[in-house]
Amino acid sequence: GAVVSQHPSRVICKSGTSVKIECRSLDFQATTMFWYRQFPKKSLMLMATSNEGSKATYEQGVEKDKFLINHASLTLSTLTVTSAHPEDSSFYICSATSPGTGKEKLFFGSGTQLSVL
Amino acid sequence: GQSLEQPSEVTAVEGAIVQINCTYQTSGFYGLSWYQQHDGGAPTFLSYNALDGLEETGRFSSFLSRSDSYGYLLLQELQMKDSASYFCAVSASGGSYIPTFGRGTSLIVHP
Repeated sequence: GAVVSQHPSRVICKSGTSVKIECRSLDFQATTMFWYRQFPKKSLMLMATSNEGSKATYEQGVEKDKFLINHASLTLSTLTVTSAHPEDSSFYICSATSPGTGKEKLFFGSGTQLSVL
Repeated sequence: GQSLEQPSEVTAVEGAIVQINCTYQTSGFYGLSWYQQHDGGAPTFLSYNALDGLEETGRFSSFLSRSDSYGYLLLQELQMKDSASYFCAVSASGGSYIPTFGRGTSLIVHP
């Protein structure tokens, strides 16, 4: 099956710093990747759709200047949380669909637990 | 917009059968999928229904009734390792077919 790798798995940073999270499709090319945010015991909330070679599409209420998304290649998308604050602490997960399977089947990375002090 | 409702928690014993229900409201419905997520882990795809009826995959089955905007995930011969959160997700034209997730159901399996 398709494998999506996400790094780092856990990061602790000081308030005001920026954190970059990488999401890679290891055995397939992903023209589109999705970034989700999840609070404890809560649902996965779609933040943005990352499109290779073009600007990301952000969901309503998500600050695009706060959460910078870059999809520079067919196998890599990055999410940068800029000037992080404690309220940004959360579990961030990326996902992708594999060519040949429908959009309903998402392959998820292992997630990144961000803690901002 | 889209909305989904599923129970917050379900408990059962090993070897039993459990059903997790999901009702949804959306326009341009395309399909309903189910994902499993263990604590601290990533969600993994379980099943998908676009048409009415039952889809069986081993111990897990998923059902859809489009007319009732309702589906369920059926887990048989429960094992301790099945303790996890289960999310239903709806795909619809209004959401560019990207799955929108419910709040998840925490399944606790007791010995």
